Amino acid sequence: GQNIDQPTEMTATEGAIVQINCTYQTSGFNGLFWYQQHAGEAPTFLSYNVLDGLEEKGRFSSFLSRSKGYSYLLLKELQMKDSASYLCAVRLTDSWGKFQFGAGTQVVVTP
Amino acid sequence: EAQVTQNPRYLITVTGKKLTVTCSQNMNHEYMSWYRQDPGLGLRQIYYSMNVEVTDKGDVPEGYKVSRKEKRNFPLILESPSPNQTSLYFCASSLLAGDYNEQFFGPGTRLTVL
Repeated sequence: GQNIDQPTEMTATEGAIVQINCTYQTSGFNGLFWYQQHAGEAPTFLSYNVLDGLEEKGRFSSFLSRSKGYSYLLLKELQMKDSASYLCAVRLTDSWGKFQFGAGTQVVVTP
Repeated sequence: EAQVTQNPRYLITVTGKKLTVTCSQNMNHEYMSWYRQDPGLGLRQIYYSMNVEVTDKGDVPEGYKVSRKEKRNFPLILESPSPNQTSLYFCASSLLAGDYNEQFFGPGTRLTVL
């Protein structure tokens, strides 16, 4: 079966760093995506990893370890506007078009 | 403006009354997909399409139909809606299905089936 786990909620202070973990157990792995979703809005793309290692994009970084079935999204210098749900998504090997999403991690940034 | 549009945005209907949710993209994307989002369950893929006339099932296809007769449109059809199909629906598209291709999501359609 397929399983993608993320923490339900995390709280952090403005200016701090937060790390959102995502673990997956899937029958085949073909890339991992992170999306941000503000309340009442559509998800928007943040990052993509297919090889092991760290991808950095401004205040956001994403890490992947395929052998461990593990990824994290690192948000630095947190801002109030970063309060949102963060979705981890795995693309499966049985089809380039097939995706599975985690339930999302709600990040609350406090002043 | 490059975008994915969905209509209607909100719909309240009754059990068994056929409905269609339209999805259209103006980015010439090959890949399109439908998801439903429910509290605690995240996004679950219903159907996807790799190109015109090519569609395939996601994880939760039961009770839904799709068609891809032209590149820009990917309607979601509920032939006989039931209350368990009450959900928030998102359509998404990407240039291609493979490699680094982010999905662009539509604004969502909130469906209530009574």
